[in-house]
Amino acid sequence: GQQVMQIPQYQHVQEGEDFTTYCNSSTTLSNIQWYKQRPGGHPVFLIQLVKSGEVKKQKRLTFQFGEAKKNSSLHITATQTTDVGTYFCAGPGTYKYIFGTGTRLKVLA
Amino acid sequence: GAVVSQHPSWVICKSGTSVKIECRSLDFQATTMFWYRQFPKQSLMLMATSNEGSKATYEQGVEKDKFLINHASLTLSTLTVTSAHPEDSSFYICSARPGQGYEQYFGPGTRLTVT
Repeated sequence: GQQVMQIPQYQHVQEGEDFTTYCNSSTTLSNIQWYKQRPGGHPVFLIQLVKSGEVKKQKRLTFQFGEAKKNSSLHITATQTTDVGTYFCAGPGTYKYIFGTGTRLKVLA
Repeated sequence: GAVVSQHPSWVICKSGTSVKIECRSLDFQATTMFWYRQFPKQSLMLMATSNEGSKATYEQGVEKDKFLINHASLTLSTLTVTSAHPEDSSFYICSARPGQGYEQYFGPGTRLTVT
């Protein structure tokens, strides 16, 4: 079945360093979504990318959708302690979204 | 806007009893609601998709007789864990999708502990 994998599984960075998580799908996606889940919290929708090669920015966050629409990345510039959490990508399946394995980010002050 | 509530936020029950979890979309109508299960430090595992007025669609490996889902209205879906066992202990999260929208709005989750 369709699989969505993310790397790395964990990442510890010093505050101020950059961070990138990569999302790879076993199938071509019509779109991809990104969510953030704070420790003890629930996932919160961040963004959806639709077009091949699309790049979108939200302040320090840069989201990219691959040309082949099978991969995506989330890059955070100059991480802050508020960026701590798990970042999930999600790709559409049949009437549902398949969540990636997630990347857990820890930011050391 | 787009708030989803879940009740209870946490529950402890004895093995063999049943537990009902409610998921409500507070300020929008949700034609589709999703139920997920999440183990510590793991991803969200979709259990079932619930459409208002019709039977839920369960993912492979999820027992429909054990996890009863009812989507009685456009703002309420319930998940009942029947005859709960310790291995059912987990974090259960619902999400709701408004109409034709593509975003999912997640509830705060329910932490179930079965003793």
